[in-house]
Amino acid sequence: ETGVTQTPRHLVMGMTNKKSLKCEQHLGHNAMYWYKQSAKKPLELMFVYNFKEQTENNSVPSRFSPECPNSSHLFLHLHTLQPEDSALYLCASSQPGTSGRAGEQYFGPGTRLTVT
Amino acid sequence: DAKTTQPTSMDCAEGRAANLPCNHSTISGNEYVYWYRQIHSQGPQYIIHGLKNNETNEMASLIITEDRKSSTLILPHATLRDTAVYYCIVTHPRSGGSNYKLTFGKGTLLTVNP
Repeated sequence: ETGVTQTPRHLVMGMTNKKSLKCEQHLGHNAMYWYKQSAKKPLELMFVYNFKEQTENNSVPSRFSPECPNSSHLFLHLHTLQPEDSALYLCASSQPGTSGRAGEQYFGPGTRLTVT
Repeated sequence: DAKTTQPTSMDCAEGRAANLPCNHSTISGNEYVYWYRQIHSQGPQYIIHGLKNNETNEMASLIITEDRKSSTLILPHATLRDTAVYYCIVTHPRSGGSNYKLTFGKGTLLTVNP
């Protein structure tokens, strides 16, 4: 138990569906992240939020739409996905700062997404 | 961020120490060394980090060479549950100091054998 929860744990959706992934952290952190991990590939950073503001978007297609209503919650809204978007989607949180501890990220268990 | 090089895979006997090497010869003065691991189909788990000095916590020890061009993660008594992919990441605070960007490579698959 890392203090970061993700729901749902598994999701199967058609290409025309709209769904949302939810992440919640109970660590009091002010930075949250979305990562994507495709089969046999390293983790890819998608989005970064600091104090509810998006500070990084790594050229993610617009069919992925993040939302951060407060520092504890992060959503990833999905629409018109492609089969190649099937992957493990991971949420993480950290506490911003300049000390080494700012690089400690705590990950949720992930949502296994399958697009049919 | 400095590039890291890790062996693709390693084996270790249960109960023995696992020593995982990482080369980061282009590391700069303000970059930290982080280690994470990922057990199959789970989220990555933070293990330890260091700047110059050796570090130890309840999970592992981190030995950084004096020139900081390489480091070793030591799991003192490996168990079967330590079987995972271990990632060595070198990074520094972004401008403004708010975040450290973690770039995960392929890591080292450590297999602990009975």
